[in-house]
Amino acid sequence: GENVEQHPSTLSVQEGDSAVIKCTYSDSASNYFPWYKQELGKRPQLIIDIRSNVGEKKDQRIAVTLNKTAKHFSLHITETQPEDSAVYFCAATLNSGYSTLTFGKGTMLLVSP
Amino acid sequence: EAQVTQNPRYLITVTGKKLTVTCSQNMNHEYMSWYRQDPGLGLRQIYYSMNVEVTDKGDVPEGYKVSRKEKRNFPLILESPSPNQTSLYFCASSLSTGNTEAFFGQGTRLTVV
Repeated sequence: GENVEQHPSTLSVQEGDSAVIKCTYSDSASNYFPWYKQELGKRPQLIIDIRSNVGEKKDQRIAVTLNKTAKHFSLHITETQPEDSAVYFCAATLNSGYSTLTFGKGTMLLVSP
Repeated sequence: EAQVTQNPRYLITVTGKKLTVTCSQNMNHEYMSWYRQDPGLGLRQIYYSMNVEVTDKGDVPEGYKVSRKEKRNFPLILESPSPNQTSLYFCASSLSTGNTEAFFGQGTRLTVV
C-alpha cells in the first residue's frame, strides 16, 4: 500500500517568515495530494490540493508543488501569521474507484509573533 | 448547513464494555471513513465505506467493526474496548472516492480504563 513520509515533525518560525513542509510518497500511481490543517482542538480541514497533471498550485499565501518523478510534494506558506500555527497533514491517494487516503504523520507549525 | 456529526464528543469507558460512536453526514456523500489520531502517528484509517452495505478494512481495523445500512450513517463499534484503543477518533465523508475533499466530524475523545 501507499506510504507517506512527512518532514519536519515540528517547525518553528517567526511571523513573516516562510515555512516549507515536505512529503514523499511510495506509490507512483498516486495522483491526488491534499493538505489538511488542524488547529488545536479542532477537526482537520482541507486547505489546498494538487493533482498530478499540474506541478504547482497557489492560493493566496499558500502553495503546493509536486514532483512526480521524485515522488515528493511540498507545502509552502509565505508571510506566516500566528493564526497559521496548527498541525498540517499531507496525504496521497489514487484517482480511482477504490482509492483511500493515506496521511503523513503531521507537522506542528508554530509561528511566533 | 453541510456537516459531519459525531457523538459522543467525549467518552470514558471500562475495558470490555461495548460501545458505539455514531457518525452522520447530511451531504449525500457516498464515501465515509473512520480514523484514529494518536500523537506522533498522524491519522490512521480504521475502516471505510464506498457506499451502502460496502465496507472495507483500513490500516488499523483490529478491534473495530462498522456498518453502513444507510447512506448518511456510519457507526464505529468497539465490541470489547481495550486501553490501547484510547485515542481521538474522526469520522469523515467525501463525495465519491478518496480523491475528493474529506469533511471531518468534530472528533470523539475516547478513554478506555
